[in-house]
Amino acid sequence: AQKITQTQPGMFVQEKEAVTLDCTYDTSDQSYGLFWYKQPSSGEMIFLIYQGSYDEQNATEGRYSLNFQKARKSANLVISASQLGDSAMYFCAMREGWSQGGKLIFGQGTELSVKP
Amino acid sequence: DGGITQSPKYLFRKEGQNVTLSCEQNLNHDAMYWYRQDPGQGLRLIYYSQIVNDFQKGDIAEGYSVSREKKESFPLTVTSAQKNPTAFYLCASRTGINYGYTFGSGTRLTVV
Repeated sequence: AQKITQTQPGMFVQEKEAVTLDCTYDTSDQSYGLFWYKQPSSGEMIFLIYQGSYDEQNATEGRYSLNFQKARKSANLVISASQLGDSAMYFCAMREGWSQGGKLIFGQGTELSVKP
Repeated sequence: DGGITQSPKYLFRKEGQNVTLSCEQNLNHDAMYWYRQDPGQGLRLIYYSQIVNDFQKGDIAEGYSVSREKKESFPLTVTSAQKNPTAFYLCASRTGINYGYTFGSGTRLTVV
């Protein structure tokens, strides 16, 4: 069964430093997509970055980059130059195959706290 | 502006009552999804619909029902059969492109 694992329930980082949030996944599909979302205390889900299984380059979006290691089935999120506003829950998610409705499967999340 | 509207933001239900959570989108998205989130947990899929008049159960469908009579609307009913309905409910929709998922702002349901 497809599964997403985030092993860090909580992380602390000093403002302006970089932080890596871990995500491993399990799937037998050849075609899949990996996402990272940010959820502040308000509850909204904010899309951060996407990586397709056939993409050869690691995805980047501003201060966010996705360290995609296909053989290891990992898709870690790297946030550079952390800001106080980065404090939130972060979820890794995987899109299942389109034949299964394109559903997103989520990990348990990592709560990131940025210290001034 | 296009987006997903969920209402109400907060909902209180007495035990034994059915309640309906609204989800409306004006993005012309075909697929819509309902997720449940418990405190400190990830999102779990309740139901999803890929086209009008069709929907499928997700991982935790027991005690919930949905309808998809219009492309824009995908309401979720939490029935009295759902034993622990207190949670945060998120609705989402998707275009055909990979990163085209859009989420609503959620409804917090509390049983009193």
